[in-house]
Amino acid sequence: QVQLQESGPGLVKPSGTLSLTCVVSDGSISNNNWWNWVRQPPGKGLEWIGEIYHSGRTDYNPSLKSRVTISIDKSKNSFSLKVRSVIAADTAVYYCARRYSGYDYLDYWGQGTLVTVSS
Amino acid sequence: EIVLTQSPATLSLSPGERATLSCRASQSVSNYLVWYQQKPGQAPRLLIYDASNRATGIPARFSGSGSGTDFTLTISSLEPEDFAVYYCQQRGDWPPGITFGPGTKVDIK
Repeated sequence: QVQLQESGPGLVKPSGTLSLTCVVSDGSISNNNWWNWVRQPPGKGLEWIGEIYHSGRTDYNPSLKSRVTISIDKSKNSFSLKVRSVIAADTAVYYCARRYSGYDYLDYWGQGTLVTVSS
Repeated sequence: EIVLTQSPATLSLSPGERATLSCRASQSVSNYLVWYQQKPGQAPRLLIYDASNRATGIPARFSGSGSGTDFTLTISSLEPEDFAVYYCQQRGDWPPGITFGPGTKVDIK
């Protein structure tokens, strides 16, 4: 079954860029899937960030679209997230997840990684 | 943009009791409504999709119902491992994207 694992720096300075990668195991990233990022500030609810298809097509949360880029690297079976100009409110656990094309749900999730924005 | 609201925010119950959680959409989502369970320190776990279909491996005590704007997640008899936060979710076509409800916490009374 599909496994996802996030990685990246746990601490980012304010105004810097948050960069995370999600490696997909036991399933080709080029299959009929959308690859998602979701975040959760400490003690709060879930916020969808965006998703990417293997073709490179992306959709983003309108509230974050101006600061976010999601990209895909088929050679490494991975996809990545960049959030620019971060502030303290971007502190959250960041999850990667899979959505099978044609369906509305996220069925496989990574374990999540905490990113703290602080000087 | 479709907004999801969940009620109650917190539900305090005892093991063995029935839990009824509500999710309301600001406009019709047909039956395209999803439920997740999240325990502390864990990623969300898919429970129900298309309003009433249990995901693989989900016990039969979990059931979903509803269509249009009003949806319900029912846990027929709470087990100790069911005390968690539950989120509903929908995916819109325009603007395209996923939205989550604010969550309902089911805690031990």
